[in-house]
Amino acid sequence: GENVEQHPSTLSVQEGDSAVIKCTYSDSASNYFPWYKQELGKRPQLIIDIRSNVGEKKDQRIAVTLNKTAKHFSLHITETQPEDSAVYFCAAPGAGGGADGLTFGKGTHLIIQP
Amino acid sequence: DGGITQSPKYLFRKEGQNVTLSCEQNLNHDAMYWYRQDPGQGLRLIYYSQIVNDFQKGDIAEGYSVSREKKESFPLTVTSAQKNPTAFYLCASSRGGSYGYTFGSGTRLTVV
Repeated sequence: GENVEQHPSTLSVQEGDSAVIKCTYSDSASNYFPWYKQELGKRPQLIIDIRSNVGEKKDQRIAVTLNKTAKHFSLHITETQPEDSAVYFCAAPGAGGGADGLTFGKGTHLIIQP
Repeated sequence: DGGITQSPKYLFRKEGQNVTLSCEQNLNHDAMYWYRQDPGQGLRLIYYSQIVNDFQKGDIAEGYSVSREKKESFPLTVTSAQKNPTAFYLCASSRGGSYGYTFGSGTRLTVV
């Protein structure tokens, strides 16, 4: 099955600086890579995703990059704000394409220092 | 207002007791999933269903059971065989395949 590694487990940055979270995956058949944000006590919410036919996708202050050769993908948040503080999860589908469930990383706790 | 609803929000289970967590969606999604979340462990897949009357075990299915009699509903039963059930349980649905999940608000289960 798919194995997803996520780093770092905790990331503290100054407000206004950039944050980068990295994930690696094991199954070369994975073709869809979502990122979820989970605020304390709340449900995870999809914030951005990328499919394997593109290398980068942006949505305002967030972006995701994908390197299929190296089997890793990253979340980039620019101009961080206090509301960006949360736990972020990456995920990958494995050979099943996602219909048989996503495999999630263990999460990164992002702390935005004022 | 489309969405996915989990109930109850908090649940307490006594030793040896079976409990059932409810998950209902009105998004017309074919696929539904149950995940367990423990601190520092991310989300781990318990069961999933791609269509009505069919479901498959995930990575940690032991001690759990599910049913999918209606497209909208995917209840999870935590049986007495699950030795460490205290966790946050999340239900999700999707259009299937390479589409993002919509998560419910979760049920926090505690053994007393």
